[in-house]
Amino acid sequence: AQSVSQHNHHVILSEAASLELGCNYSYGGTVNLFWYVQYPGQHLQLLLKYFSGDPLVKGIKGFEAEFIKSKFSFNLRKPSVQWSDTAEYFCAVNARSGGYNKLIFGAGTRLAVHP
Amino acid sequence: DAGVIQSPRHEVTEMGQEVTLRCKPISGHDYLFWYRQTMMRGLELLIYFNNNVPIDDSGMPEDRFSAKMPNASFSTLKIQPSEPRDSAVYFCASTKRSSYTFGSGTRLTVV
Repeated sequence: AQSVSQHNHHVILSEAASLELGCNYSYGGTVNLFWYVQYPGQHLQLLLKYFSGDPLVKGIKGFEAEFIKSKFSFNLRKPSVQWSDTAEYFCAVNARSGGYNKLIFGAGTRLAVHP
Repeated sequence: DAGVIQSPRHEVTEMGQEVTLRCKPISGHDYLFWYRQTMMRGLELLIYFNNNVPIDDSGMPEDRFSAKMPNASFSTLKIQPSEPRDSAVYFCASTKRSSYTFGSGTRLTVV
């Protein structure tokens, strides 16, 4: 079965620190990969996505992610976090099953950035 | 485009009552998904539709949950009877060609 694993459930950083959130997926077919962010009390917003091509994907707000097919990974990075990046981050894979698509999420990582 | 529209934003109901959550997907999107978010379980896929047809409802927790999509612009998720453990945020999402858009969610509290 398809699944997504996020290694860190909680991350605490100081402003200007670098961020890397791990994501591994289990799916044998062609994947579309996503990172979503959920600010407190808000809905999910797309940070970035990978469909094909350059495995290094740049998203909004200075975030980027690298697709490493051999490692089944899609880690999210940001060189210097800000207090406003405090949120929950979800990795997701678009899995194709029986000819249909569905989006499966990891458990999420709560990021707290201290000034 | 107004995006995916969910209503109500907040719902407080008593245990045993029927609850209906509503979703209007983005026009032209051919998939609609219902997710439930809780602290304990994270984001769970409950059911999804393709061209108004339910494809996979294996995530629906119990027979108390049902979902319909009578047309391309409207879907409902119904819980009857509701229980306190159904308290969660319910998100609707729609997509075409793997570009998913989420609604603002309905925060359901069952007391």
